[in-house]
Amino acid sequence: ETGVTQSPTHLIKTRGQQVTLRCSSQSGHNTVSWYQQALGQGPQFIFQYYREEENGRGNFPPRFSGLQFPNYSSELNVNALELDDSALYLCASSSGTVRNTGELFFGEGSRLTVL
Amino acid sequence: AQSVTQLGSHVSVSEGALVLLRCNYSSSVPPYLFWYVQYPNQGLQLLLKYTSAATLVKGINGFEAEFKKSETSFHLTKPSAHMSDAAEYFCAVSPPGNTGKLIFGQGTTLQVKP
Repeated sequence: ETGVTQSPTHLIKTRGQQVTLRCSSQSGHNTVSWYQQALGQGPQFIFQYYREEENGRGNFPPRFSGLQFPNYSSELNVNALELDDSALYLCASSSGTVRNTGELFFGEGSRLTVL
Repeated sequence: AQSVTQLGSHVSVSEGALVLLRCNYSSSVPPYLFWYVQYPNQGLQLLLKYTSAATLVKGINGFEAEFKKSETSFHLTKPSAHMSDAAEYFCAVSPPGNTGKLIFGQGTTLQVKP
């Protein structure tokens, strides 16, 4: 089975710009969660999409937004980039049965540097 | 609110020695608990999980963890460290029925010396 894939793997932006990160979920998974991992920190939950609808959001401002498509792939968009947005952005997919197990499958991440 | 505390941001052991990585949680409801490992420049990989079944959980690569409700702990152990175990380890908590909204600890870097 195909795992979670993310693109791009690395990118550099300047403050004030906008960025779009993409994620293809693992085959058979209908839920995608996004996490931000700052250097030296644990991942922090940004939001989750389930069947194309937002299903919970962490403590992130509205300039962080997302989409999920009918094939369950997902995008994370960040507007008005700030220096503190520099981080590894992780996408994780899961199936409906995660309600019982909570298990996530992570991609390798997109490393964003904001200058 | 739930939270996770990992005691010790860096742990160093010799190859062949016992590995012990500490995790304490706070939760008002019975939690699900997880240990993930992250190798350099990679995403997170699930090592093991506790979901209210057996309190001693065995995972991949010889790791295991024991859920102790009285101590609100979920420490990760491995009897004999291998060089390939050097990585970042994260403990995470999730309430039952909460799909994928994990709360992670700050992480512990495991160094294995030859």
